[in-house]
Amino acid sequence: AQSVAQPEDQVNVAEGNPLTVKCTYSVSGNPYLFWYVQYPNRGLQFLLKYITGDNLVKGSYGFEAEFNKSQTSFHLKKPSALVSDSALYFCAVRDRDSARQLTFGSGTQLTVLP
Amino acid sequence: DAGVIQSPRHEVTEMGQEVTLRCKPISGHDYLFWYRQTMMRGLELLIYFNNNVPIDDSGMPEDRFSAKMPNASFSTLKIQPSEPRDSAVYFCASSLGSGGRTEAFFGQGTRLTVV
Repeated sequence: AQSVAQPEDQVNVAEGNPLTVKCTYSVSGNPYLFWYVQYPNRGLQFLLKYITGDNLVKGSYGFEAEFNKSQTSFHLKKPSALVSDSALYFCAVRDRDSARQLTFGSGTQLTVLP
Repeated sequence: DAGVIQSPRHEVTEMGQEVTLRCKPISGHDYLFWYRQTMMRGLELLIYFNNNVPIDDSGMPEDRFSAKMPNASFSTLKIQPSEPRDSAVYFCASSLGSGGRTEAFFGQGTRLTVV
């Protein structure tokens, strides 16, 4: 079985401050991990992914995420938030040894306050 | 490439009517996914195709839902008859290859309202 949890429905941060959006996962084997962003009335857009190798993954728009196997986490981070980063963020996981497709988290609404 | 194209963007229909949602995946992509997004249930995978063949339809909620992919550039999701609880945003996505290493590209979605 595979699952992903985003423990925070809402995250508020001031513009210019660092932001973190949390994600933890559960898989039987080793994971493939993804972050997507959804702006209002739009589809999901890919941000970054962890497949293998370096635990720190850099993606679009200055976002990065760190794969932590011992804590089964893949938190999304950005050093300095922009108002335009305000959106709905989804973490997704797939067990690389499974035929199942991606399982998405419930989403975290990020609001960056000016 | 224009990305994944879905039509219509918005659909309002009366309960009991047939609804057909359409999707054109990115050219060359061999996987196509249909998702449904609601506030209550989040993002759910309904069905996916590989090389036009349905692989897993276990997420399709009822027999009222059906999906087809007659060729590599077109897919439909049909609801017949529609019910108010089918109101949601339906997304189509496509990807090149699977094995989980590749990201999916999503269309802008069809917002369905059944009254």
